[in-house]
Order: sequence, then C-alpha cells, then structure tokens
Amino acid sequence: QKEVEQDPGPLSVPEGAIVSLNCTYSNSAFQYFMWYRQYSRKGPELLMYTYSSGNKEDGRFTAQVDKSSKYISLFIRDSQPSDSATYLCAMETGNTGKLIFGQGTTLQVKP
Amino acid sequence: ETGVTQSPTHLIKTRGQQVTLRCSSQSGHNTVSWYQQALGQGPQFIFQYYREEENGRGNFPPRFSGLQFPNYSSELNVNALELDDSALYLCASSLAGLAGGQDTQYFGPGTRLTVL
Repeated sequence: QKEVEQDPGPLSVPEGAIVSLNCTYSNSAFQYFMWYRQYSRKGPELLMYTYSSGNKEDGRFTAQVDKSSKYISLFIRDSQPSDSATYLCAMETGNTGKLIFGQGTTLQVKP
Repeated sequence: ETGVTQSPTHLIKTRGQQVTLRCSSQSGHNTVSWYQQALGQGPQFIFQYYREEENGRGNFPPRFSGLQFPNYSSELNVNALELDDSALYLCASSLAGLAGGQDTQYFGPGTRLTVL
C-alpha cells in the first residue's frame, strides 16, 4: 500500500466548473500538506501549503486537511482552461525535507 | 519562475553508462533535494543535501550519488544506468530554517533521461 493515494484520473470538466481533487494517506505523522501543479514537461509548482488540519484559501483555490480521516482536498472554483495540468499532493512529517507525493491527477478544463 | 535551473533538458544514454545531471539552486538556498519522476507517477525522493552534506536518502541504491557546492550548484550522478532509470529528474531548492518545520521546496524544470 502506498503512503499517499491519489486518483490519477483523467478528470475532464467544463470551463467554470468547481473541481475537487483528493488524496488519502496512511502515515499519521504527516503534518505538512502541499498541492503542486505540474504542466506538461515542466517541474512542479507550489500552489498551496497547509500545516496540520484546517482550511486555507488563496484566490480560486481552497485546500482542506482532515487529519482525523487522513484526507486532503483541493478545490478550484471557476475553473479555466489554463488550469489544465497534473495536480500532485505532497506530504511531509516535518524536518526531513522528504516530500511524499501522490501519483498526480490529470485535469482537463474544456472551453 | 522558481529561479531553479537544471541542465541538460534532455539526455539519452545507453545501459551501463554513467550520467551527471546539474542543478542551480535559488540564491541563498542552503538545501537541495533530488527526485525521480517516472512517467505517470509522482516524484520519488532520492536524497537531500544540506550545506554540502547528504542529509537524508530515499530508497535508491548507492549508484545514485550527489554533490552540493558552495556556489548553490549541485549534481546528481548515476552509475551503471539501467533501463528503469529512464525518468524526469527534478531538483528542488529550499532554505532550511534553524527552528525546524517545513521548508518550502522550489522545483526546477527537470532533466528528462532516456536509457536505451
């Protein structure tokens, strides 16, 4: 069993839709939770970073962490074609520098 | 742009050869991490260097080795290449805080290695 599970998709939605991306994990020691966006043939770009449980909002993006359920989510409001990319969740216990990534979910937003 | 650069962009090698990949970190960042990303997978942690010393290693064999230099550059070396080493290799730089906690990692664009 992988430490971090993420549905690879692909997920296809119409422009303007609300997108929900999710990851589950098994290691209760994870404290730091991140979402990265990766365009084709590019490196991952940090979108959201959350410490412990709770919500964090940044523009059209909202990250949620539920440590009791070992479940994290990323919501994208008013999705745009430019949001089409692979979204990677990543986690860390802290002080290790070792990020554990999910497989990534490929998102396509159609005009 | 993260300010992290990698070279070369693409590389083709044959099985058994050795390869060196290079990374230039953001100015002032004292930590570099290397990841391997196979096609359709998330990145996997190879190792991390902090102030020129290895500071943690993932589940990769010793033929994967690295160096970090004082000028914010670093190298990943892979000996005796195998077909399964074909992947995108990413470096990420960060500034390790004295108080601990999570240090945001900024990724470069990667080097795509193909082993034939």
